[in-house]
Amino acid sequence: ETGVTQSPTHLIKTRGQQVTLRCSSQSGHNTVSWYQQALGQGPQFIFQYYREEENGRGNFPPRFSGLQFPNYSSELNVNALELDDSALYLCASSLGKGAGTDTQYFGPGTRLTVL
Amino acid sequence: DQQVKQNSPSLSVQEGRISILNCDYTNSMFDYFLWYKKYPAEGPTFLISISSIKDKNEDGRFTVFLNKSAKHLSLHIVPSQPGDSAVYFCAARTGGFKTIFGAGTRLFVKA
Repeated sequence: ETGVTQSPTHLIKTRGQQVTLRCSSQSGHNTVSWYQQALGQGPQFIFQYYREEENGRGNFPPRFSGLQFPNYSSELNVNALELDDSALYLCASSLGKGAGTDTQYFGPGTRLTVL
Repeated sequence: DQQVKQNSPSLSVQEGRISILNCDYTNSMFDYFLWYKKYPAEGPTFLISISSIKDKNEDGRFTVFLNKSAKHLSLHIVPSQPGDSAVYFCAARTGGFKTIFGAGTRLFVKA
């Protein structure tokens, strides 16, 4: 068992709304990464937080933002939702910064539907 | 810009036979490659990895081969079991934090 949990499991929003997705990392893991997985695609890196600071970002606009808390929980916030934001959102935690041999443990994901 | 490509959306194999999943990449700066397995309603699970300085890594029934000159890697599963039926993602890293995934190959192992 990976120990990474995400909430909610499913979510339906309308275009223009804002959404917050939550992740609880495995205890002791300093790093959380967020991914967007569109239908039929692989996970696409959004950003990573290491010890509560953003450590890197993929090709996503600023309306995607995040927070990491000292208790190993984190949030992904998306403002001004667009239809293309409909996807499975995955978080992954790791001990280190997710480079090299550092293993990432994924949660089951949150399925977001934007209408 | 698809730096990691899995050109076969699906693969069907008989139980007990070999499954070969393929992956191509374009970025020669990738230094670490990984395979993940994903069951429905679960997140991807790390399966096996290989450093760019190696050409083979084996872990039980799973072996990953890397051909740097061809920018190609493959995952071999021998023997295949029905429980191996899942989506398999190939992924790569450049020494930093960013992991780039392919689109996945759905493996069906028939009993």
